[in-house]
Amino acid sequence: NAGVTQTPKFRILKIGQSMTLQCTQDMNHNYMYWYRQDPGMGLKLIYYSVGAGITDKGEVPNGYNVSRSTTEDFPLRLELAAPSQTSVYFCASSLDPLTSPLHFGNGTRLTVT
Amino acid sequence: QQQVKQSPQSLIVQKGGISIINCAYENTAFDYFPWYQQFPGKGPALLIAIRPDVSEKKEGRFTISFNKSAKQFSLHIMDSQPGDSATYFCAASPRNTGTASKLTFGTGTRLQVTL
Repeated sequence: NAGVTQTPKFRILKIGQSMTLQCTQDMNHNYMYWYRQDPGMGLKLIYYSVGAGITDKGEVPNGYNVSRSTTEDFPLRLELAAPSQTSVYFCASSLDPLTSPLHFGNGTRLTVT
Repeated sequence: QQQVKQSPQSLIVQKGGISIINCAYENTAFDYFPWYQQFPGKGPALLIAIRPDVSEKKEGRFTISFNKSAKQFSLHIMDSQPGDSATYFCAASPRNTGTASKLTFGTGTRLQVTL
């Protein structure tokens, strides 16, 4: 199984540009999450989804949008990139958040200049 | 405030030594405490987890110690090996979070095991 797949691995954006970070999982997990990881700051939850058609904000949602049209895919959209969005972004999925672990992708390193 | 404080920020241990990473939390509703291990260029992966009904959980060389009254938990890596060099994150979440469990992560500890 591929698990959680994120694309692209790296991206450089100019201020004001937009892009979509792709995330897909093949484990039939209902729960999916987007985190950002900044040096010395741990992982901060941006958005999460409990199933197709249902999304909700996490701790740091400003500047981002998500959609969940299928169980497999959970893309993260940056509409107007800002330098503060320079980070490593991780997508994760879980079968049941109360009893099973998060499965993370390998991340997307985004630089906004 | 849902916060998990992790220390130290970085740690250097000789091969064969014991690595100890500590975490403290404030929210008494937390009742699930996992540790994640992250290698460079990879996403975090679950290493070991504990619930507060036990004070210790051991899996191979990795042990979680849990002190409910002090609201602290720690990861001990016995006989540390160079392959253990990674960043370790503690985390916590409450059981009853409505529609989804939202883990609160510590800030991470970069462990280097030297020969």
